[in-house]
Amino acid sequence: DAEITQSPRHKITETGRQVTLACHQTWNHNNMFWYRQDLGHGLRLIHYSYGVQDTNKGEVSDGYSVSRSNTEDLPLTLESAASSQTSVYFCASSGDRNTEAFFGQGTRLTVV
Amino acid sequence: AQKVTQAQTEISVVEKEDVTLDCVYETRDTTYYLFWYKQPPSGELVFLIRRNSFDEQNEISGRYSWNFQKSTSSFNFTITASQVVDSAVYFCALSESTGRRALTFGSGTRLQVQP
Repeated sequence: DAEITQSPRHKITETGRQVTLACHQTWNHNNMFWYRQDLGHGLRLIHYSYGVQDTNKGEVSDGYSVSRSNTEDLPLTLESAASSQTSVYFCASSGDRNTEAFFGQGTRLTVV
Repeated sequence: AQKVTQAQTEISVVEKEDVTLDCVYETRDTTYYLFWYKQPPSGELVFLIRRNSFDEQNEISGRYSWNFQKSTSSFNFTITASQVVDSAVYFCALSESTGRRALTFGSGTRLQVQP
C-alpha cells in the first residue's frame, strides 16, 4: 500500500544545531507540504513543493529550508535550531487537483 | 488571503448527544475546496471529507453530516449520537483552485465525549 513516512518520530536537539527531518511518500504525488502544529495555532504551512526542483515558502518559513530532488522525498532542514522551533512537524502529500492531503505520522522535535 | 476560523476551542458532551463543530472561512477565489480532518489522541491526521465550492449539497456519512452554506461562508460538521471514540481534535481546512494547493487550517476544536 502507498504511504507517507516521517523520520525520526522524536528528536531532541540543542539550540544552534542543524536538524533535518525526513519525509518519504510512495503515492507518486507531485505536491508535498510541511506543516508545524502548535497549541492554539492548528497546522501552519512551512514550505511546499509542486514537483521536482520546485519549492515555495509558506507562512512560517523563517529558519527552515527544503529541497526536492525527486518525487518521493521532501526533507525539511532547520538551519540553526531555536527553542521557538520546538513543535510537532507534519509532512503531507496530495495529487494534482485539490484532492485530499495524506499526512505522515508526525515528528515531535524538542530544541533545548 | 484565505483564512479558516474555528471559534470553538473545546467542546465537552455526554455520549449520545449530538454536537456541531463550526467552521467559517474566507477566500477571494470563486472555486475552492473545504476539508475536515480528525486528529485522535494517537496524533495522526485522518481525512474525513472534501467538498468543492460548487457543491452545496449536504453530506451524510453514518453519524457524520456536513452543512455547507456559501451564503454564510460556513462548513459545519455535526456528529449525531456521539461516542467516546469521537473524542479528538477536528480541523477544518481550505484550499484554493488557483495559486497554491496547500491547505489552510483552522486552529481546531477539541471534542471530548464523556461516557
